[in-house]
Amino acid sequence: NAGVTQTPKFRILKIGQSMTLQCTQDMNHNYMYWYRQDPGMGLKLIYYSVGAGITDKGEVPNGYNVSRSTTEDFPLRLELAAPSQTSVYFCASSYSHNEQYFGPGTRLTVT
Amino acid sequence: GENVGLHLPTLSVQEGDNSIINCAYSNSASDYFIWYKQESGKGPQFIIDIRSNMDKRQGQRVTVLLNKTVKHLSLQIAATQPGDSAVYFCAEQADKLIFGTGTRLQVFP
Repeated sequence: NAGVTQTPKFRILKIGQSMTLQCTQDMNHNYMYWYRQDPGMGLKLIYYSVGAGITDKGEVPNGYNVSRSTTEDFPLRLELAAPSQTSVYFCASSYSHNEQYFGPGTRLTVT
Repeated sequence: GENVGLHLPTLSVQEGDNSIINCAYSNSASDYFIWYKQESGKGPQFIIDIRSNMDKRQGQRVTVLLNKTVKHLSLQIAATQPGDSAVYFCAEQADKLIFGTGTRLQVFP
């Protein structure tokens, strides 16, 4: 199993641009999550999904959107990038609402 | 990422010594706790978990202790090795998983 994969690894965006961060898992997990991690900080939950077609807001959802059309994929969309969205983004998945498996992260810089 | 741990509390231990990393959690309703390890440039990796009906759980070289009275969690690493150098996060779960800010463990020879 590849586990949780994320693309791209790095991206630089200009203010106001949009992009989609991709996340795929091959473990048939129902639960998927998006976190952001700012320097020197822990992870903050942006959005999560308990199954295909179901998404919910986390702690810091503003400025982001998600969709979950399949069990495997959980893309994160930034519509109007802002410097405050400069961060490292981690996708995770879990079989139930506990132990989570994380992807390698996407480092995003908005200038 | 590589900036993780820039301003985090740091625990420095000598190779072979035992390490104890502490975590205070906030929600008395939390019933599940996890310790994660994050190496530079990588995503967090599960180490060990514990449910609120237990006060101790042991894994390979690691032990987690839970004190619900004072809402305190600790991770003990026996015979610390250079490969244990990383940032360690505790996480608590009531309805969602909430991560702490982390502690950087540095192991020196």
